[in-house]
Order: sequence, then C-alpha cells, then structure tokens
Amino acid sequence: NAGVMQNPRHLVRRRGQEARLRCSPMKGHSHVYWYRQLPEEGLKFMVYLQKENIIDESGMPKERFSAEFPKEGPSILRIQQVVRGDSAAYFCASSPRGGTSSYEQYFGPGTRLTVT
Amino acid sequence: ILNVEQSPQSLHVQEGDSTNFTCSFPSSNFYALHWYRWETAKSPEALFVMTLNGDEKKKGRISATLNTKEGYSYLYIKGSQPEDSATYLCAFSSGNTPLVFGKGTRLSVIA
Repeated sequence: NAGVMQNPRHLVRRRGQEARLRCSPMKGHSHVYWYRQLPEEGLKFMVYLQKENIIDESGMPKERFSAEFPKEGPSILRIQQVVRGDSAAYFCASSPRGGTSSYEQYFGPGTRLTVT
Repeated sequence: ILNVEQSPQSLHVQEGDSTNFTCSFPSSNFYALHWYRWETAKSPEALFVMTLNGDEKKKGRISATLNTKEGYSYLYIKGSQPEDSATYLCAFSSGNTPLVFGKGTRLSVIA
C-alpha cells in the first residue's frame, strides 16, 4: 500500500515563474492537507481539501496561491509568480476521514521549492 | 492566535537512558492533540492522537500523557535507542479547525 506521494521532490524556479506541486494521497483517502515549512519554522497549515472541494483555506496566502483536488488525479498546489519568500518545504498529508482533527494524518516526503 | 510550545528544543541522551519532553497548548476549547515522529529525510509519522483528559497512550517504548485542563502533554521514551533519534512534533486542534504544530523537540540518542 503506497504512502502519500509528492512530486517533484525538489523544484527550482526563477522569480516570476509558476510552481506546481503534486500530491497523491494514500489509497482510499479523500482528505488532503497542505502544509508549508519555512526555514527555522514549524509546519504551518495552508489548505484542507476534499475531492473537488476546498474545505478550509484559512492558512493560504490570498494572492498567487491556489489549490485543487479534482475528482481524478492528484491534488495540486499552484504558486504563481513565485518570489524568494516562497522558498520552503511543502508537505502534503492525507487522512481517510476528515471534518475534525481527531484522525491521524499521513504525510508525504515533501517538495522543496527553491526560488532563485 | 493559537500557540503550541515544545520543550526542550533539542536533547541529547545516552543509549539506554529514558527521557521525556513537553508540549504546551491552550487549555480552552481543546479538541485533539497529535504526536508525530519525524526522522531526517523521511516524512512525519503519526504516533498518537489523544482526545480525552487523562488519556495515556503507549506504542512500544514510547508513551504519552495528556492534561487538557492545564494544557500540556508529555512524551516519554523508555530506554532510548539510536533509532529513536528524530524530531518529535506535537500538534493541537481546538475543534473543527486545522492542526497547529509546535516546532518540535530534536532528540539525539548517542550510542
């Protein structure tokens, strides 16, 4: 049973380019969470999605960032016109059930984004 | 703004020693407390999810306790082994809200 998959593992973008980060949840999981870890900081919640729905995007910057989790295919976190401050590790997690935080989350290996 | 504090920030222990560290969180509107273990170059791995005051959970040599009234949880490791070296994260939820993570305690077990 494959775990949570994320790709790419490393992504380098120049300022102004777009970054697309992909997350495939564990089989049977329909709840996906995105977190960001800035240097010297802890994991910070960005967005929680269920298939075809954004449930909570309270942690996501209002501009340039968007996320989706289509009916088919992986969840995508998209960052438009990247800036140096977007350089961070982005982690995706999935759970079999959601709605509350009483279920453990299964994390992917992360995507390390570097903006030059 | 919810704040989750973990202490100590880092810890070095000898193989065979037992150790413990703390997670502090707001004592009001408690819903759930998670512990994760994060080894270098791997993904965070869930250890425990605790929801009841007085809860005590155990997995092998690792155990955790929860005091929601005073807002803290302890993680204990009995007879530390080098493979226990990792960062231990706790995360708090105040209800139907996202998890708020602490910065972690980095444990190094010296053989």
